Amino acid sequence: DVVMSQSPLSLPVTLGQPASISCRSSQSVVHSDGNTYLNWFHQRPGQSPRRLIYKISTRDSGVPDRFSGSGSGTDFTLKISRVEAEDVGIYYCMQATHWPGTFGPGTKVDIK
Amino acid sequence: EVQVLESGGGLVQPGGSLRLSCAASGFTFGSNTMSWVRQAPGKGLEWVSVISGNGDSAFYADSVKGRFIISRDNSKNTLYLQMNSLRAEDTAVYYCVKDANLGVWGQGTTVTVSS
Repeated sequence: DVVMSQSPLSLPVTLGQPASISCRSSQSVVHSDGNTYLNWFHQRPGQSPRRLIYKISTRDSGVPDRFSGSGSGTDFTLKISRVEAEDVGIYYCMQATHWPGTFGPGTKVDIK
Repeated sequence: EVQVLESGGGLVQPGGSLRLSCAASGFTFGSNTMSWVRQAPGKGLEWVSVISGNGDSAFYADSVKGRFIISRDNSKNTLYLQMNSLRAEDTAVYYCVKDANLGVWGQGTTVTVSS
């Protein structure tokens, strides 16, 4: 299975400041169709996960443009340009290129 | 509005069985790959099983292979997960999720395996 790692695992942030989460896969997650199925999810406490970004950098409908995704191959990044209070929770990266799809361990974001 | 709604969770003894259901609405169900993803208490996410839109193809995580069966009834817009030989480590919230890139999640249904 493809192993996904994330750093940091805990990220205290200041409101209005930027934040960045790194995600790395144990092997390339570029699909044979040319797409890279690397997705980012956000889970608030007590809620279901919600997808924020798919295929590295495409934001889902309704996701604020302060969220952006980048990367290629095995290294990916989620950035929040200015953290807001509603952004607290756990962020997961996940690859859906190889079965079984695998998630990173999660990065817990909270406010300093 | 695209929605998926799980049901069928509960308390079951080790070795027992349970069937989860997921009612879908707001999209063309039969055209979409559907998945079950679970989250053990205080833990991360694990993709359990996935089934193609027409039901011809299904895949399972090694942790549930041979014990769980995913199926769907496109005439009823419903996804199922038959869980047999349940173990304590199957205790989790089970989410029904739309499409191969997990675009829409339900609210989850809780399965507790305990004597």
